[in-house]
Amino acid sequence: ETGVTQSPTHLIKTRGQQVTLRCSSQSGHNTVSWYQQALGQGPQFIFQYYREEENGRGNFPPRFSGLQFPNYSSELNVNALELDDSALYLCASRPTAGTANTEAFFGQGTRLTVV
Amino acid sequence: DQQVKQNSPSLSVQEGRISILNCDYTNSMFDYFLWYKKYPAEGPTFLISISSIKDKNEDGRFTVFLNKSAKHLSLHIVPSQPGDSAVYFCAATLGSGSARQLTFGSGTQLTVLP
Repeated sequence: ETGVTQSPTHLIKTRGQQVTLRCSSQSGHNTVSWYQQALGQGPQFIFQYYREEENGRGNFPPRFSGLQFPNYSSELNVNALELDDSALYLCASRPTAGTANTEAFFGQGTRLTVV
Repeated sequence: DQQVKQNSPSLSVQEGRISILNCDYTNSMFDYFLWYKKYPAEGPTFLISISSIKDKNEDGRFTVFLNKSAKHLSLHIVPSQPGDSAVYFCAATLGSGSARQLTFGSGTQLTVLP
């Protein structure tokens, strides 16, 4: 059983650019969430996808968007990057059936630096 | 509005002693609470959880206590080991099925001294 994998692990972008981060969910998991973790803070919920549809969104502007694919992999896209977007971006997957649906499994994250 | 709070950014304990990490929440609708551990350059790893209908859950050296009236939970690690040194996040969730979302606290850096 493979875990959650994210790519790339590190990325440097210039303010105003666009970025795409990728996530491969754990096998058998059909729900994926994205989180932003700024330095010294806990992960903040960005949005969540279930069966290719967004079904939850945190307090992030529309320039943060996502996709989930039929194989349950997903992307996080951020347009018009700002310096404050510099953070660790975490992807988490979980099953939605059974008693295990409270526990999310996280990838190692993508460290994005905006200069 | 921070719905889950960890007021201690750091905690140091001696190896073999008890570590107690605390967490407070404001939303009485949360029905599950979880603790995650995070090492540098890794994603958070699930540690232990508790349903809001229980007041204690134990798994080996880790025990989580929930006080619903005080909207407070704590994680006890006994005995503490140097390998436990990490950032610990408290998280809470509500909803059902695919709609569940995690709300995290800001974390507590635990250092276990040999």
